[in-house]
Amino acid sequence: DQQVKQNSPSLSVQEGRISILNCDYTNSMFDYFLWYKKYPAEGPTFLISISSIKDKNEDGRFTVFLNKSAKHLSLHIVPSQPGDSAVYFCAATFSGTASKLTFGTGTRLQVTL
Amino acid sequence: GAVVSQHPSWVICKSGTSVKIECRSLDFQATTMFWYRQFPKQSLMLMATSNEGSKATYEQGVEKDKFLINHASLTLSTLTVTSAHPEDSSFYICSAEGSLAGGLSSYNEQFFGPGTRLTVL
Repeated sequence: DQQVKQNSPSLSVQEGRISILNCDYTNSMFDYFLWYKKYPAEGPTFLISISSIKDKNEDGRFTVFLNKSAKHLSLHIVPSQPGDSAVYFCAATFSGTASKLTFGTGTRLQVTL
Repeated sequence: GAVVSQHPSWVICKSGTSVKIECRSLDFQATTMFWYRQFPKQSLMLMATSNEGSKATYEQGVEKDKFLINHASLTLSTLTVTSAHPEDSSFYICSAEGSLAGGLSSYNEQFFGPGTRLTVL
């Protein structure tokens, strides 16, 4: 049972354009969501997060949007840069201590010149 | 930011042998560490939650007698894959939970190690 889904396994975007990565979840108990970036043979690195009390969080070129009614979140990267090429995972959890993360299946982003 | 290391970064072993993977939080204390496994082109799947000084909590479907976890100190957790078989070949990643001074409010952030590639022949 995949509680967090990323339906697009890959995405190709031209440098300078906007990259939009989508994520859907089924468990309405999740109240904290995170995006991680991962390079091959490395551990994930934290990118940005959002609490369920918000619908938008912005950090530089990265913005995460949350639509609780649709159980959907998205990560916008603008402008996209070649260094953004990586696999992006969304993850969900319950806020508080010792909370385990449930990861999506990942989307491979390729930013082309 | 907080640093988590894993050792070894890769290991090749023969079927039937045991392999130990170490996960260390280098500049913070972690009462809770997590072990994940990632198969090619798949998501990270949580295997177990490791709490310092107590038994690990395993996710459904993960054999606790096969994947031994020890969290003896606030900076070290180990995962031992016992009697490894080729189907255990995977990328194993640990994370350590910690809160940074002035960091996120109610969420203790997880910091991930670089992972260990295990290949069982």
